[in-house]
Amino acid sequence: RKEVEQDPGPFNVPEGATVAFNCTYSNSASQSFFWYRQDCRKEPKLLMSVYSSGNEDGRFTAQLNRASQYISLLIRDSKLSDSATYLCVVNVANAGGTSYGKLTFGQGTILTVHP
Amino acid sequence: NAGVTQTPKFRVLKTGQSMTLQCAQDMNHNSMYWYRQDPGMGLRLIYYSASEGTTDKGEVPNGYNVSRLNKREFSLRLESAAPSQTSVYFCASSYPGEAVYEQFFGPGTRLTVL
Repeated sequence: RKEVEQDPGPFNVPEGATVAFNCTYSNSASQSFFWYRQDCRKEPKLLMSVYSSGNEDGRFTAQLNRASQYISLLIRDSKLSDSATYLCVVNVANAGGTSYGKLTFGQGTILTVHP
Repeated sequence: NAGVTQTPKFRVLKTGQSMTLQCAQDMNHNSMYWYRQDPGMGLRLIYYSASEGTTDKGEVPNGYNVSRLNKREFSLRLESAAPSQTSVYFCASSYPGEAVYEQFFGPGTRLTVL
């Protein structure tokens, strides 16, 4: 089983739609959670961190369910510029309790927003 | 402030050839990373350097070596390239070493091994 699993999509939605992405992770010792965005043929960039209480950044809302080992990203009022691949990212500490920032990436979910 | 830079942007190698991918960051970050990205596989960590003078293996280190030349530079070497190493390679950096902070990525190197 992959450490971080996402539905690869693609998701094709019209402008203004609400779309949700889901992600599951296998290691219960996972400490930190993120969503990164990657445009076509570009490098990944941090979209937002995911906190236990859930957090919002404009049209984007991230949720974390530690009991179910599940992360979600909700995008409201989709824009053409939201078209990208969304990467679910998890950090796990090593046996010594440190992580050195090592991240595990999901394979990504492709979103296309059309007029 | 250029962030993370990588050279070259593209390269085609023949099986058995060697090459070094260069990475530099100007953000004074302690930690640096090398990933490869293949279709349907996501990004996979090859090697990382928590701080200057240290390097450790990631998920897929076989066939690669790294050098943390100084705080700014972290290079990845393929000694004898194989077609399975055809991929897009990303270098990243973050600060500080032991906590989890945002990773900043370079633009990538697209490598084809024939």
